[in-house]
Amino acid sequence: GENVEQHPSTLSVQEGDSAVIKCTYSDSASNYFPWYKQELGKRPQLIIDIRSNVGEKKDQRIAVTLNKTAKHFSLHITETQPEDSAVYFCAASGGSNYKLTFGKGTLLTVNP
Amino acid sequence: GAGVSQSPSNKVTEKGKDVELRCDPISGHTALYWYRQSLGQGLEFLIYFQGNSAPDKSGLPSDRFSAERTGGSVSTLTIQRTQQEDSAVYLCASSPDRGRNQPQHFGDGTRLSIL
Repeated sequence: GENVEQHPSTLSVQEGDSAVIKCTYSDSASNYFPWYKQELGKRPQLIIDIRSNVGEKKDQRIAVTLNKTAKHFSLHITETQPEDSAVYFCAASGGSNYKLTFGKGTLLTVNP
Repeated sequence: GAGVSQSPSNKVTEKGKDVELRCDPISGHTALYWYRQSLGQGLEFLIYFQGNSAPDKSGLPSDRFSAERTGGSVSTLTIQRTQQEDSAVYLCASSPDRGRNQPQHFGDGTRLSIL
């Protein structure tokens, strides 16, 4: 089955800096890659997603890039703000699987 | 409209008891998923329902776990003879269309604690 690795497990940045979180996946048939933000005690919230027919997608300060050949995708947050502090999860699905396989998460801390 | 609703929000029970968790998906969403999130971990897939098709139960960790979805809407996840390792947050998600590669929207989860 699919396996998703996520790095780093923790990331601390200064307000205004950029943050990058990387994920790799194992199933070449996967073609849908969402990112979720989860604040402490809250539900995971979808912040951006990308499908395999697209190499990059941007939404204001958030962007996701996908390299299908290398089977990795990344989340980029620019001009970070303290409210960006949360756990971020990447996930993958597709092919014969509709269920999401999640990475173990990255705890992002933005220091004011 | 209303999001995915789960109840109870918290459940504390003794080892060996049965528990039932409820999920009310977003109206009109045909796909429904259950995931489990252990402390400090990612989300682990449990079961998937799509319309009237047979559910995909491949993620259920043991035969103590079961789930049903009545009328294509509300779903219940039942854990029998609970064990301490069952302690986790149980999250439900729903998605529109046929579920494949559609955004999944999560509820707030049920935090289950087994004493």
